[in-house]
Amino acid sequence: NAGVTQTPKFRVLKTGQSMTLLCAQDMNHEYMYWYRQDPGMGLRLIHYSVGEGTTAKGEVPDGYNVSRLKKQNFLLGLESAAPSQTSVYFCASSYVPSWTGTTGELFFGEGSRLTVL
Amino acid sequence: KNEVEQSPQNLTAQEGEFITINCSYSVGISALHWLQQHPGGGIVSLFMLSSGKKKHGRLIATINIQEKHSSLHITASHPRDSAVYICALTGGGNKLTFGTGTQLKVEL
Repeated sequence: NAGVTQTPKFRVLKTGQSMTLLCAQDMNHEYMYWYRQDPGMGLRLIHYSVGEGTTAKGEVPDGYNVSRLKKQNFLLGLESAAPSQTSVYFCASSYVPSWTGTTGELFFGEGSRLTVL
Repeated sequence: KNEVEQSPQNLTAQEGEFITINCSYSVGISALHWLQQHPGGGIVSLFMLSSGKKKHGRLIATINIQEKHSSLHITASHPRDSAVYICALTGGGNKLTFGTGTQLKVEL
């Protein structure tokens, strides 16, 4: 089993360009999440999904869009990249909500490092 | 004041030492996660706990809900334990609140 796979792992964009990060999980998890990790800050939730066809905003959703057309995939899109979106992006999944007590174990991808020039 | 604070921010230990990483928080929670971020960037879940103590191999996590404090202990530390250790809180809506992490380096 691959677990959670993110592509691409590295990307450099120019301001204003668009791109999509793909997250795929093979654990049949209902819940999927996109986080960003910035120096000196904890992981912050961008968007999440509680099942196929659903998406919801997290703490820092502005400038990002997501889609969950298939249960196993969760896509994160940047329509017009800005330097403030330079970050490391992590996808995660869980069988139950991560905020559910001691049962919401998170499974993370390896991260995608995005640089916007 | 941040909702969650970890200490120390950086820690260097010698192989074999007993290590303690602390996580203090200021809000009510239902559970606390400990995570490990490898030098290559990948993140794995170590523990989820809401009371008492949990142990897995050389790792022990404790939590005191009344004192709003959790500790992660590593016994007989080894260079392969070098990583960033992150605590995260549940109980604040549909999300976890993550600490900024403790960078641990274990030297031979």
